[in-house]
Formats: sequence, C-alpha cells, structure tokens
Amino acid sequence: GQQLNQSPQSMFIQEGEDVSMNCTSSSIFNTWLWYKQDPGEGPVLLIALYKAGELTSNGRLTAQFGITRKDSFLNISASIPSDVGIYFCAGQLGGGSNYKLTFGKGTLLTVNP
Amino acid sequence: EAGVTQFPSHSVIEKGQTVTLRCDPISGHDNLYWYRRVMGKEIKFLLHFVKESKQDESGMPNNRFLAERTGGTYSTLKVQPAELEDSGVYFCASSQDLTGLDGYTFGSGTRLTVV
Repeated sequence: GQQLNQSPQSMFIQEGEDVSMNCTSSSIFNTWLWYKQDPGEGPVLLIALYKAGELTSNGRLTAQFGITRKDSFLNISASIPSDVGIYFCAGQLGGGSNYKLTFGKGTLLTVNP
Repeated sequence: EAGVTQFPSHSVIEKGQTVTLRCDPISGHDNLYWYRRVMGKEIKFLLHFVKESKQDESGMPNNRFLAERTGGTYSTLKVQPAELEDSGVYFCASSQDLTGLDGYTFGSGTRLTVV
C-alpha cells in the first residue's frame, strides 16, 4: 500500500526558533494535509493543500504541496511552548471510494521555553 | 456543536477477551471513519461508513474486527478475540462531506491495551 516517509521523527528546539518537517511518498496524492495531535486528544487539521505547487499559510504555519505531488513540507515560525505535540502529514488520493487518509509516522516536537 | 465522542477512553483486556469500542459522530455527519495507531507507527485507516453502509473496509486487519453502524448514527468496533498486536489507539472521525476534506473531525481516541 501507499506509505509516507515523514521526517524528522522528533525535534527538540528552543522557543522562538523556526521548525521544518516534511513528508515524501513513492506515489502521488491529490491532497496533502497536516495535522497536530496534543496528548490525549485526536489529530486536529492545521492546513489542507489541494493543488500541486500550492503554498498555504495559517498564522505561523506554512505548508507546501510539492510540484510532483509526492511530497509536502510544513514550516512553523517563531515557535512557542504550545506548539508542542505530534505533527502528522497525511495524503489522500481522492476520487471513487479513495477517501481514506494515509498518514506519516509523525514528528514529535518539543519546545524548550 | 458537540464533537466526536469515543467510549471508553481506555481499555485494558486480556488476550482472548472481547472488547467493543463506541463512536458517536457529530450529529448529521453521514461519513464515519475508524483509524488505528499502533505505538510508534503511523495512523492507519480501518474503514469508512457512509450512513449505515460500509463504503471502504480495505483497512480492516482481519476477521476478528467487526464494525457496525446500525441506523447510521453511532458506530461500534468489536475485537473478538483480542490479540496482543491489537493494542493501540483507535480513532474515530466524522465528516459531512464524502471527501472528508470539509472538516474531518477526530475523536480523542480509545487506548486499547491487550495483556
């Protein structure tokens, strides 16, 4: 089946630093999504990308849908302590009955105040 | 509006026992999904209901797992008999739109531990 390679696996940064994480796939996706999971909660959608090459921002978060449709990155600028959590990329092929999401293994982000 | 509710939040059972997880989607959401995250691995799709019908059950691991959504409202996921490798966090999500991209809302999950 389709797999997403997400990196890095974990990051430990100082408050105020910028962060970058990415996902790559051996096959294409037509939609890329980035989720954040806080402890004891379910994933929450941060950014959705629908078009190859698209660059989208949501506050301090910026994500891009790779032009090949096989990769995406997420940047967080000026990190703050509440950015702590697990970040997941997810791809969706779409069309027909292909609405399931394929997730990466997650990036555990720790922000040191 | 109330979010997606999952019950129980935690369950510890012995190998060979049966466990039933429940998910109450957001009211009016026809689409309901089950996902699972095994420790340290990715969140994996299990199945997708549209109302009471199974739209896609390609992710169900084996016939020890049975999902139902009678009446198209809440859903249950039964594992019988449970094995050690079934341990993980089971997430339910719901959406109004078939594509799920209008707002795919996840529940807080059920952490299942099989000992």
